[in-house]
Amino acid sequence: AQRVTQPEKLLSVFKGAPVELKCNYSYSGSPELFWYVQYSRQRLQLLLRHISRESIKGFTADLNKGETSFHLKKPFAQEEDSAMYYCALNWSDYKLSFGAGTTVTVRA
Amino acid sequence: NAGVTQTPKFQVLKTGQSMTLQCAQDMNHNSMYWYRQDPGMGLRLIYYSASEGTTDKGEVPNGYNVSRLNKREFSLRLESAAPSQTSVYFCASSERGGSHNSPLHFGNGTRLTVT
Repeated sequence: AQRVTQPEKLLSVFKGAPVELKCNYSYSGSPELFWYVQYSRQRLQLLLRHISRESIKGFTADLNKGETSFHLKKPFAQEEDSAMYYCALNWSDYKLSFGAGTTVTVRA
Repeated sequence: NAGVTQTPKFQVLKTGQSMTLQCAQDMNHNSMYWYRQDPGMGLRLIYYSASEGTTDKGEVPNGYNVSRLNKREFSLRLESAAPSQTSVYFCASSERGGSHNSPLHFGNGTRLTVT
């Protein structure tokens, strides 16, 4: 069965430090993976999709099929990066499985 | 362009009461979804509507019903609320499915407490 695991519930980093949010998935098919973000008092929104291989707000995420991972990284965290981050796996046309989420706090 | 609009924002119910959560989108999207968000469990799909006129069960449909009223609107009904349904409910829409070419757009959520 498909599953998304985010092992860290909370992550606290200092401003300017690197940040990495872990995401592992289990799925027998070809995965489509996303990172969604929810800033305080804002709606959940798409941050990254693996197929784009783009950098958004300084964040990147690489799909590693061998390790079944899709970790989110940013080399220098900013205070505005404080948010809840969800990793998600699209395993069927209309079914997206979300991880439990990681709350990131960036301290000055 | 409001995107996805949910009402109400907050609701408190007593066990056994019923209510309907409303959702509307103005992006001409074909697909709509209802998720619930619980601490430590992420978002779980309750029901979805691939297109106008169709609805299907998601991961946790028990205790809920849905109606795709038209292309814009997708409502979620709790017929007899239970404390286990205390959660934050999110409506979402997408052009088609939830693939890379069609990411989900979320509403602001409804915080429901059942006492």
